[in-house]
Amino acid sequence: GESVGLHLPTLSVQEGDNSIINCAYSNSASDYFIWYKQESGKGPQFIIDIRSNMDKRQGQRVTVLLNKTVKHLSLQIAATQPGDSAVYFCAESLSYKLSFGAGTTVTVRA
Amino acid sequence: EAQVTQNPRYLITVTGKKLTVTCSQNMNHEYMSWYRQDPGLGLRQIYYSMNVEVTDKGDVPEGYKVSRKEKRNFPLILESPSPNQTSLYFCATRLSMNTEAFFGQGTRLTVV
Repeated sequence: GESVGLHLPTLSVQEGDNSIINCAYSNSASDYFIWYKQESGKGPQFIIDIRSNMDKRQGQRVTVLLNKTVKHLSLQIAATQPGDSAVYFCAESLSYKLSFGAGTTVTVRA
Repeated sequence: EAQVTQNPRYLITVTGKKLTVTCSQNMNHEYMSWYRQDPGLGLRQIYYSMNVEVTDKGDVPEGYKVSRKEKRNFPLILESPSPNQTSLYFCATRLSMNTEAFFGQGTRLTVV
C-alpha cells in the first residue's frame, strides 16, 4: 500500500538555527503534498503545501522542497524558535486519499 | 470560525461496550475521514466519506463503522471495542482533492 516515511524520528535544533526535516514518499503518482505540525494534545495543523508541478514553495519562515525524481520532500524552518517544538508530519495525496508518515519530533534547544 | 469538533475528547470504556465518537464540521466540506494515531505509526486512515451516504474503507477499517447521513456529521462507531483499538482518533475534513485537511482536536480512547 502507499506509505510516506520520514528519514529521522527526532531532530534537536539550537534556537535561531535553521531546521531541515526530510521525508521520502512512496507513490510517484501522488500529486499534492502537505506538511503538518502537531503540538502536544492537539490535532495536526497545516503548515504549507505544494503541488507536484512545483519544486519549491515558500511561506512565512518555512520552505517546502519537492524532488519528484527521488520522491523526496523537505521542510525548512528558518530561525527556529521554541514554539517550533512539535511533531512534524509530511503527507502525500492522490485523489482523496491522504497518507501520512510516522513523523519527526523536533526539539528546540535554548 | 471554521471548526471540526469531536466528542468526547477522552473516553475510557470496557471491552465489548458499543461506543460512538462524533465529528461535526461547519465548513460545508464534502470530504470527511477518520484516522487513528499510534506511536511510531503516524496517522492511518480508518474510513472516509466523499459525500452524504458515500463512505469507503481506508487502510485500517476492521472493527469500525461509520455513517454519513448529513454533510456536517461523520460519526465513528465501535460496535464491540477491543483493547487494540486503544488509540488517539482524529476526524478530518477537506474541501476537495488537492486541498489541505482540517483536523479535529482528537479523541483519546482507552479500551480496558
